[in-house]
Amino acid sequence: KQEVTQIPAALSVPEGENLVLNCSFTDSAIYNLQWFRQDPGKGLTSLLLIQSSQREQTSGRLNASLDKSSGRSTLYIAASQPGDSATYLCAAITNFGNEKLTFGTGTRLTIIP
Amino acid sequence: EPEVTQTPSHQVTQMGQEVILRCVPISNHLYFYWYRQILGQKVEFLVSFYNNEISEKSEIFDDQFSVERPDGSNFTLKIRSTKLEDSAMYFCASKGPGNQPQHFGDGTRLSIL
Repeated sequence: KQEVTQIPAALSVPEGENLVLNCSFTDSAIYNLQWFRQDPGKGLTSLLLIQSSQREQTSGRLNASLDKSSGRSTLYIAASQPGDSATYLCAAITNFGNEKLTFGTGTRLTIIP
Repeated sequence: EPEVTQTPSHQVTQMGQEVILRCVPISNHLYFYWYRQILGQKVEFLVSFYNNEISEKSEIFDDQFSVERPDGSNFTLKIRSTKLEDSAMYFCASKGPGNQPQHFGDGTRLSIL
């Protein structure tokens, strides 16, 4: 059974800094890994999807990497802004055809102006 | 940009009553999902739906739950006899063909009294 963990649970950094959020998963037979952003009381906004054949994906100031062998994914945010403050969730799909996402508990990110 | 829409945003129901949560997925999407998030906990998979039938369901999705796609646009989750522990945020998601990310709605907050 796939288990997804995100550490730390909360992170505060000054505006302008680069930062890395971590995601670990127990089953390396991963098909996709998806990163989301969740604002308080809101839904989940998809940020990046990394397929198992890929090592990383980039969108603007965001870069996500995937290392299946070590069971890790990271989300790198460059030049952080106060608007980046949110909870960041990673979620894994373990097998093709089994489309369910298994979510981590998230990292609550606060960017200090 | 197309989005998944969910109604109502907040539903308050007496324990034992039936509730129907509604979702309008993105129009050309073929795969549909329900997830839930109990306050302070992980987002959990409930059910996936493709080609007018359930493709997978979790152990949470017991006989009290059902899903339906009554027409070409709506996707509903029905809880037959609600319990206090059904109180949660319920998210609908949809996905297009191929290896695409799942897109989520803003959720329905269900409060059982």
